[in-house]
Amino acid sequence: SQTIHQWPATLVQPVGSPLSLECTVEGTSNPNLYWYRQAAGRGLQLLFYSVGIGQISSEVPQNLSASRPQDRQFILSSKKLLLSDSGFYLCAWAQRDTGELFFGEGSRLTVL
Amino acid sequence: SQKIEQNSEALNIQEGKTATLTCNYTNYSPAYLQWYRQDPGRGPVFLLLIRENEKEKRKERLKVTFDTTLKQSLFHITASQPADSATYLCALDGGTGGFKTIFGAGTRLFVKA
Repeated sequence: SQTIHQWPATLVQPVGSPLSLECTVEGTSNPNLYWYRQAAGRGLQLLFYSVGIGQISSEVPQNLSASRPQDRQFILSSKKLLLSDSGFYLCAWAQRDTGELFFGEGSRLTVL
Repeated sequence: SQKIEQNSEALNIQEGKTATLTCNYTNYSPAYLQWYRQDPGRGPVFLLLIRENEKEKRKERLKVTFDTTLKQSLFHITASQPADSATYLCALDGGTGGFKTIFGAGTRLFVKA
């Protein structure tokens, strides 16, 4: 069966520090991969999606970036965090035929 | 731009009643619509998908309708239980052949025993 895992689960970072969130998927090949962000009490904002290795589409202009170095690995990064980067970050993969999304456990980022 | 609207006010209902949540969208015609459940501090969990050529879909106590003329979906939970209390998110394909999914802000449901 397919599994998705992201880490770290929680982190507190100072403004201006770098960020790296990692996500891996097991049990499926060539998945579509996604990074979403959810601010407190808000809906999910699509940040990036990827349909293959090295192929990244950005949805929102920001100081974040994403990379897909391997088929089942998706990384979210920032060189310098802003206060507004705080939120709950969710990685997901999608079934290609249905579009159904499977989410990871989430990473809660607090920027101070 | 594409816009998805869900009732931001929480819905409070009594156990055993039917909960009905609404999702309205504007400015595009999605090929499919999905509903997800999200519990606090967790990622959303997929519940149902309905395609543009389908009017209604059911799964156990869940029913979803899709009216492409009104640009609206209704999500029903019959015989609601306290365990159904959660936030329910409506999601639409982003119009790129299914490569991306756009979410509404969700509606919080509270079912009282």
